Amino acid sequence: DAGVIQSPRHEVTEMGQEVTLRCKPISGHNSLFWYRQTMMRGLELLIYFNNNVPIDDSGMPEDRFSAKMPNASFSTLKIQPSEPRDSAVYFCASSSGQGSGGYTFGSGTRLTVV
Amino acid sequence: AQSVTQPDIHITVSEGASLELRCNYSYGATPYLFWYVQSPGQGLQLLLKYFSGDTLVQGIKGFEAEFKRSQSSFNLRKPSVHWSDAAEYFCAVGARTGANNLFFGTGTRLTVIP
Repeated sequence: DAGVIQSPRHEVTEMGQEVTLRCKPISGHNSLFWYRQTMMRGLELLIYFNNNVPIDDSGMPEDRFSAKMPNASFSTLKIQPSEPRDSAVYFCASSSGQGSGGYTFGSGTRLTVV
Repeated sequence: AQSVTQPDIHITVSEGASLELRCNYSYGATPYLFWYVQSPGQGLQLLLKYFSGDTLVQGIKGFEAEFKRSQSSFNLRKPSVHWSDAAEYFCAVGARTGANNLFFGTGTRLTVIP
């Protein structure tokens, strides 16, 4: 298994542009999580899905952020329009079962908004 | 409310010395407990996890952790640190029922000096 795959690894964009981050979870995992990591705030859970259904999006900072999971093997996190304060590393993770397996994290997408 | 406290932001140890990273949690019941490690530029990797049974759990890379219910703690230990252990370490807790998202501590950065 290739693990959780995120793309792109790095993204530099101008303020106001739309940014789409992509994630492919581990096959067979039924939960998917999007996290944001910054020096100031640490790891923040943005949203998570169970069986492709969004369960908790209370961590999504603003309406500029949206996430979708159209099928069990793909999810996107979109920021529109992007702002410099969105600069962070965005991680996707997947898991199976009732949290007992822990998460498998992707390598992250480093987003820089200039 | 659930919370995870890692009181040490940064720890420096000499190579070959022993290590203990502290983790305390606040939870309604005994949760699942995890330790993750993050090397620079990488995602988080699962070191070990506690579900039930023996309160001393062994993980990868020679790490172990001990669950102490009376102290609500899950401290991570290693008898002899290697230079390659320099990284950020995160403690996390998860529910045994209901929502399966994890709550992460703010992390402890480990520096290893020769």
